[in-house]
Amino acid sequence: LAKTTQPISMDSYEGQEVNITCSHNNIATNDYITWYQQFPSQGPRFIIQGYKTKVTNEVASLFIPADRKSSTLSLPRVSLSDTAVYYCLVVLYNQGGKLIFGQGTELSVKP
Amino acid sequence: DAGVIQSPRHEVTEMGQEVTLRCKPISGHDYLFWYRQTMMRGLELLIYFNNNVPIDDSGMPEDRFSAKMPNASFSTLKIQPSEPRDSAVYFCASSLGRLTYEQYFGPGTRLTVT
Repeated sequence: LAKTTQPISMDSYEGQEVNITCSHNNIATNDYITWYQQFPSQGPRFIIQGYKTKVTNEVASLFIPADRKSSTLSLPRVSLSDTAVYYCLVVLYNQGGKLIFGQGTELSVKP
Repeated sequence: DAGVIQSPRHEVTEMGQEVTLRCKPISGHDYLFWYRQTMMRGLELLIYFNNNVPIDDSGMPEDRFSAKMPNASFSTLKIQPSEPRDSAVYFCASSLGRLTYEQYFGPGTRLTVT
């Protein structure tokens, strides 16, 4: 069964680029990787999604190497408001559509 | 749209009591998910429905937990009898079209079982 692993916490400063990696062994070629952001006392919120190479939207980029054993969420020039917990989610189509969330990475952005 | 609506927002109950959590998904969404979040276990998927039909309930902890979706605009998660270890934040989420598509989460129900 696939498992996802993320760092528990990360620290950064305003204006820096932050990269958060999620390891997800044993996922199939058509399995998507999705990232969510969660603030205290709120539900998670979608950030970005992809299944190969690179995807970019207005808030983040997602890098997925060819072996697909990991993915990296990149947040450019973080601000204090990016302080949150970030989760990766894998949907495993070859295992009946199982959803596997990572443990979450608590990002703290300092001034 | 008002987004995913959950009620109640907070629930405090005594061990052994029945607890019912309610969710109204975004209109038109065909997937509905129930999650539980705790400090120890993080975010766990309990069950999800597609077109009101339960698809994967392998995350439901035990027989004390049950979920229903009688129509496209309403779902319940019931715990009977409740135990202190059920204390957690329970989220409902919905999405449209495919399992992988963006999920919209509700504000959650904070359950405390004493």
